Amino acid sequence: QSVLTQPSSVSGAPGQRVTISCAGSSSNIGAHYDVHWYQQLPGTAPKLLIYDDTKRPSGVPDRFSGSKSGTSASLAITGLQAEDEANYYCQSYDRSLNYWVFGGGTKLTVL
Amino acid sequence: QITLKESGPTLVKPTQTLTLTCTFSGFSLSTSGVSVAWVRQPPGKAPECLAVIYWDDDRRYGPSLKSRLTITKDTSKNQVVLRMTNMDPVDTATYYCVHRPPHADPFDYWGQGTLVTVSS
Repeated sequence: QSVLTQPSSVSGAPGQRVTISCAGSSSNIGAHYDVHWYQQLPGTAPKLLIYDDTKRPSGVPDRFSGSKSGTSASLAITGLQAEDEANYYCQSYDRSLNYWVFGGGTKLTVL
Repeated sequence: QITLKESGPTLVKPTQTLTLTCTFSGFSLSTSGVSVAWVRQPPGKAPECLAVIYWDDDRRYGPSLKSRLTITKDTSKNQVVLRMTNMDPVDTATYYCVHRPPHADPFDYWGQGTLVTVSS
């Protein structure tokens, strides 16, 4: 069971907006540690999508955005495209474990 | 351009020791703040950070696997090696080598990964 909790799946139609939540605790997200998001297309390595809660690496479309509040974080994808169908993982640091932790992952299906 | 590539056996037997090598380019592990991590991902599951080694040779290990892991670096060869003892079928996973930027947290550049199967 992951320290960071994500919904197992979300879906949306092309053009729509979807959000993926990442619920943590006072030991990780609530302790103000940064949250990062990764996109994993089928058969490929994870790719950094959002870092430090809200920042996008060069080349990531601005359709992807991150936010954080309290002990939770969210990834929003607007203008959903078929190519966005992938698994998405949040990641942060946990001070109780004194180590880096990943969420369980969310499978995004584009209808 | 930062690239990383994992190499090692694709099949190991239970109780054996796994040794994986990460060969990288585009950065130096002697640069202040830089680190390299090993992250594994069992089929259909989430990634798990196994170990991290820093430019100054500081090392961090995942709490659940700490007793089985050793991470080392050879800066002159641009390589990082992970050693995991007493392999078990539950250790079957894709193992990734990952760069982390100086004095920062995210795992920003990932190798292609290598699938290691543990079976007799």
